[in-house]
Amino acid sequence: KAGVTQTPRYLIKTRGQQVTLSCSPISGHRSVSWYQQTPGQGLQFLFEYFSETQRNKGNFPGRFSGRQFSNSRSEMNVSTLELGDSALYLCASSTIQGSYEQYFGPGTRLTVT
Amino acid sequence: AQSVSQHNHHVILSEAASLELGCNYSYGGTVNLFWYVQYPGQHLQLLLKYFSGDPLVKGIKGFEAEFIKSKFSFNLRKPSVQWSDTAEYFCAVTSNSGYALNFGKGTSLLVTP
Repeated sequence: KAGVTQTPRYLIKTRGQQVTLSCSPISGHRSVSWYQQTPGQGLQFLFEYFSETQRNKGNFPGRFSGRQFSNSRSEMNVSTLELGDSALYLCASSTIQGSYEQYFGPGTRLTVT
Repeated sequence: AQSVSQHNHHVILSEAASLELGCNYSYGGTVNLFWYVQYPGQHLQLLLKYFSGDPLVKGIKGFEAEFIKSKFSFNLRKPSVQWSDTAEYFCAVTSNSGYALNFGKGTSLLVTP
């Protein structure tokens, strides 16, 4: 079974721009979660989607948003990028609503200059 | 507030030494507990998990962890580490009603030959 895939793997953006990251979960997984990983804050939960519905959201500003499509693929969007948004963004998929084991993708490394 | 604490941020061991990484959590109610590992240049992988039942759980690559409810702890152990165990280790917790993994800050393990 193919694992979680994320595109693009690397991205460089300028402050003020917006960015969209994509995640394809493992086949059959309907729950997709997003996390931000930085050296200072570690791994922080962004949001989780199940059956195209956002079920939970972490403590991030409204500039961070996401969505899930009917095929369970998910995208997250960050608008008005700030330097502090530079991070590794990880997507994870799960068979149930994120409460159980999650399988992580390789991440998208976003650098904001 | 719910939190996960990992006591050691950096650990250096010689090959064949025993390993114990501490993890304590502050959560009310029933929890699910995980240890994830991130090898250099690779994505997060699940080492082991505890949902219920036997508090001593065994994972991949010879790792095990013990859930001690009275101490709110879930320490990771390995009797004899190898150079290939060099990685970052993350303890994570989610409640039964939650959808988000709450991660500790991680422990960087370096195993020297």
